[in-house]
Amino acid sequence: KAGVTQTPRYLIKTRGQQVTLSCSPISGHRSVSWYQQTPGQGLQFLFEYFSETQRNKGNFPGRFSGRQFSNSRSEMNVSTLELGDSALYLCASSRTTSGANVNEQFFGPGTRLTVL
Amino acid sequence: QKEVEQNSGPLSVPEGAIASLNCTYSDRGSQSFFWYRQYSGKSPELIMFIYSNGDKEDGRFTAQLNKASQYVSLLIRDSQPSDSATYLCAGANAGGTSYGKLTFGQGTILTVHP
Repeated sequence: KAGVTQTPRYLIKTRGQQVTLSCSPISGHRSVSWYQQTPGQGLQFLFEYFSETQRNKGNFPGRFSGRQFSNSRSEMNVSTLELGDSALYLCASSRTTSGANVNEQFFGPGTRLTVL
Repeated sequence: QKEVEQNSGPLSVPEGAIASLNCTYSDRGSQSFFWYRQYSGKSPELIMFIYSNGDKEDGRFTAQLNKASQYVSLLIRDSQPSDSATYLCAGANAGGTSYGKLTFGQGTILTVHP
């Protein structure tokens, strides 16, 4: 079974631009979570999508947004890029999540974003 | 206080030894816990997950959970140089507003030397 895929793997942007990152989950997984990883803050939760609905959002400004399509693929968008947005952006897919448990999440390879 | 804290490290053990990685959490609503391994320049890889108090073994890895003490640990037996990586502990809350969210510790760097 193919793993989680993310595109592109690397991006270089300048301040003020916007960027769209894509994530394709493992086949059969309907939940996609996005994380930002930086050396200073570690791994931080951005948001989670399930059946095309955002069910949870982390503590990030509104410049960070996302969506999920009917085939469970997800995109995240960052507008008006800032230097501090330079990070590894990871998506993780899960078979499903319920109110009782967060199921195991499997990470994609990540997109390395550099903002100049 | 961070929600999930890991022993600061870095941790260095000789090949063949037991590596012990520890994690404490502050959110009593946390129900599920996960250990990830992350090699330099790579994404996190799931090693173990544990939901119930006690021990859970998988090959050379044993995860331990003590909800009363809010403590999670990972033991790696017969450590190998290939186990050298950053180990991330993550917790998940059972609450209905916590969908899909893992809260990660800062990670512990493990080095296994020959």
